[in-house]
Amino acid sequence: DTAVSQTPKYLVTQMGNDKSIKCEQNLGHDTMYWYKQDSKKFLKIMFSYNNKELIINETVPNRFSPKSPDKAHLNLHINSLELGDSAVYFCASSQDQNYGYTFGSGTRLTVV
Amino acid sequence: GENVEQHPSTLSVQEGDSAVIKCTYSDSASNYFPWYKQELGKRPQLIIDIRSNVGEKKDQRIAVTLNKTAKHFSLHITETQPEDSAVYFCAASIRSGTYKYIFGTGTRLKVLA
Repeated sequence: DTAVSQTPKYLVTQMGNDKSIKCEQNLGHDTMYWYKQDSKKFLKIMFSYNNKELIINETVPNRFSPKSPDKAHLNLHINSLELGDSAVYFCASSQDQNYGYTFGSGTRLTVV
Repeated sequence: GENVEQHPSTLSVQEGDSAVIKCTYSDSASNYFPWYKQELGKRPQLIIDIRSNVGEKKDQRIAVTLNKTAKHFSLHITETQPEDSAVYFCAASIRSGTYKYIFGTGTRLKVLA
């Protein structure tokens, strides 16, 4: 029973393509997040949703669009992929804001 | 701007020795400080956290200390074991309308058998 599951685990795609990553949590948490981890391991927040409402939108290109159909799901759609988008993307959830996170297993995106 | 500095970036210790990782934050309103461990190819996992109304917290071989005046907090691992080898991240929460974390840049800990 995976607490935070994201799919796919690996994604290799060509520049210019559009792709989506899905995330689901079964913890009953109210808040979900998308983080990007680059090759130097820096963890940078991209988006946060609280009860389906967008509450954090960092300076992310508008090619990235999150969608939260309900509080257990937070998906990430990326248009017109670029080489610099290659990274590991982690979904996470927390009981509420200002609580510890449970991370998903990550999606390694490689843009060629 | 808000930032969290983490030192050292790499740390090698002999098995059985202690390891200390230090973080400094800039926002005096920060009130929640979690630590995450990330093994190679795996997800970050919360290992311990502390809130600003507490100065120290311990859980078996790991402990975290917080000095609010100096705005720094530290992770202490005693009796290190090879399975402690990983990248450790500190984080500090800040409030800018809503809460978010700023993560430190990570410390790669190697425990030598």
